[in-house]
Order: sequence, then C-alpha cells, then structure tokens
Amino acid sequence: DTAVSQTPKYLVTQMGNDKSIKCEQNLGHDTMYWYKQDSKKFLKIMFSYNNKELIINETVPNRFSPKSPDKAHLNLHINSLELGDSAVYFCASSRRGRVYNEQFFGPGTRLTVL
Amino acid sequence: DAKTTQPPSMDCAEGRAANLPCNHSTISGNEYVYWYRQIHSQGPQYIIHGLKNNETNEMASLIITEDRKSSTLILPHATLRDTAVYYCIVRPPMDSNYQLIWGAGTKLIIKP
Repeated sequence: DTAVSQTPKYLVTQMGNDKSIKCEQNLGHDTMYWYKQDSKKFLKIMFSYNNKELIINETVPNRFSPKSPDKAHLNLHINSLELGDSAVYFCASSRRGRVYNEQFFGPGTRLTVL
Repeated sequence: DAKTTQPPSMDCAEGRAANLPCNHSTISGNEYVYWYRQIHSQGPQYIIHGLKNNETNEMASLIITEDRKSSTLILPHATLRDTAVYYCIVRPPMDSNYQLIWGAGTKLIIKP
C-alpha cells in the first residue's frame, strides 16, 4: 500500500489556467505538507496543515491555496498559473508531538506551465 | 537558509562504505541532525536522525562529533541503488510547526 500518494503524477497546462493536485496519506498522520522543488532542485516548504488548521504559511503567492477536507488529505489548488510555477510539487506527512519528526513524502507531481 | 553545508558531490565504489560529511557549526543544543535522501525522480526518504550519540539503523550509521558541529552519514556497503542526493538537516524537537529547511545536499554517485 502506498503511504503518501499524489495525483496526477504529471500535469501540463497553459498559463492562466486553474489546476489542483491531490494528496492522500494512509499513515494516520495528523500533519501534512506541500513542498516545491524548482529546477535547481531546492526543496522549499509551502504549507503545512495540522488537524485541519494551517500552521505554516510560507510567503507563497495567494494563487496557491491548500485545502484539507479531512486529516488524510491535503490538496493544493493553484489559480492563474504562471510559467514560474513549473516545478515538482511534493506532498508529505508526519505525526505531531514526537521527538523526531520523520516526514514521509509522496512521489511528486511534475507541473509544466506552457 | 539551511544551517548545514555539504559537499556538492561525491563518488564511491560499489561495495565500499560511503561517508558523507555535513557541517552544522551553528547547531543549537536541542537541535537534531536528520538525514534524508532523494533518489532520482522520487520523493525524499528519511534515513536516520540523532542528537548527541552515534546512531545506527538498517539503512545507515550516523556519527556526530563531540562538539556536535559536524556529522558523517555512513552507508556501510554502498550499492548502485544508493545513488541519490543526500540531505543533512538540523531542526529542534517536539515542534511540528518547524519547517525542514533543505540545502543543496550531496549528490552521491555509486560506481560499479
């Protein structure tokens, strides 16, 4: 069974469109994250959700919005896509309150904006 | 900015031990050292973590210097599947709000 899954794996779209990436975890974790990995391969956190509450919100454009319908899902909505949004987006999850915070990552979604 | 510095790349022969260094000279007393790796086209994968003592698990060993300003990740018998980018990260404990800040990592290439 896949611990953290993302759909779609690849997403190609035109500038100006609105798109969503879905993430699901079956680990029973209560914290989920979205990361962006750009062409230079740096991983940067975008958001994290704990018990349906946004607890980290990096200085990302407000065109990006995380939506968590329940503890097992954290979807990423992107409005008015721009060329610079092209990247690989990773979802991750962890359990809060442990001394160590091992994060489990999904396989990534490669977004290409044309 | 990441609180760690790592060499950008390293090579290692298959079957040999791969020793990956990490400098974290500004680490605070309660910050843990974490190692993750990212195999090409996959999501990052947790390897090991430690605070003061050396640690070992089924994947690797972590050696932390006494002053905690640097550490070494050891893959005892490297295989071709260990080719990946390895990230060394420091973070405080018991705080899930704390974001992992990722540096550029070390690209480890295992050669046959």
